[in-house]
Amino acid sequence: SQQGEEDPQALSIQEGENATMNCSYKTSINNLQWYRQNSGRGLVHLILIRSNEREKHSGRLRVTLDTSKKSSSLLITASRAADTASYFCATDNYGQNFVFGPGTRLSVLP
Amino acid sequence: NAGVTQTPKFRVLKTGQSMTLLCAQDMNHEYMYWYRQDPGMGLRLIHYSVGEGTTAKGEVPDGYNVSRLKKQNFLLGLESAAPSQTSVYFCASTPGRFHEQYFGPGTRLTVT
Repeated sequence: SQQGEEDPQALSIQEGENATMNCSYKTSINNLQWYRQNSGRGLVHLILIRSNEREKHSGRLRVTLDTSKKSSSLLITASRAADTASYFCATDNYGQNFVFGPGTRLSVLP
Repeated sequence: NAGVTQTPKFRVLKTGQSMTLLCAQDMNHEYMYWYRQDPGMGLRLIHYSVGEGTTAKGEVPDGYNVSRLKKQNFLLGLESAAPSQTSVYFCASTPGRFHEQYFGPGTRLTVT
């Protein structure tokens, strides 16, 4: 069973627009992480947000966490064609491992 | 640093054949993981290790075995390959439970 579920499954935007994707989870977590995967490549870590944090920024990325709603969002501002990728959330539910959602496929059109 | 490397990058097996996938990391990480990725399903954990000499089952361990004889290496074995094991396999490592994971480039396996 999957702990995290990203929404939407696919998103298509124009270059320069903002992209928002969401992740919902079911049980209490220690932290939540976002990863990016370019086609045919391995996953690359973007941001880790701990359960006692509400918001984190990294460059054009902004992640929020609402533990009361068991949800997180990833905002990419001023998107570029190079942001085209799949984005995954991964939750650590105090176990020895992370659980990944099925991902959001983002297409940024020039 | 090479980070996390995986060998081989591609492989085609016939049903019933066996093979071993090698994962190596040069970051002195304690934790290592094997995942499989199938279309539309994200990553599913096969086995993981929390240190040299230890292994544990993940979400989908059936049909796979693993070994962690050296801290830097994590091997994934398929004793008798089945078409259902056609997938892309990723290895990852992390220094501790609550840290980011570093992924290898993946191994694309096809079982015919």
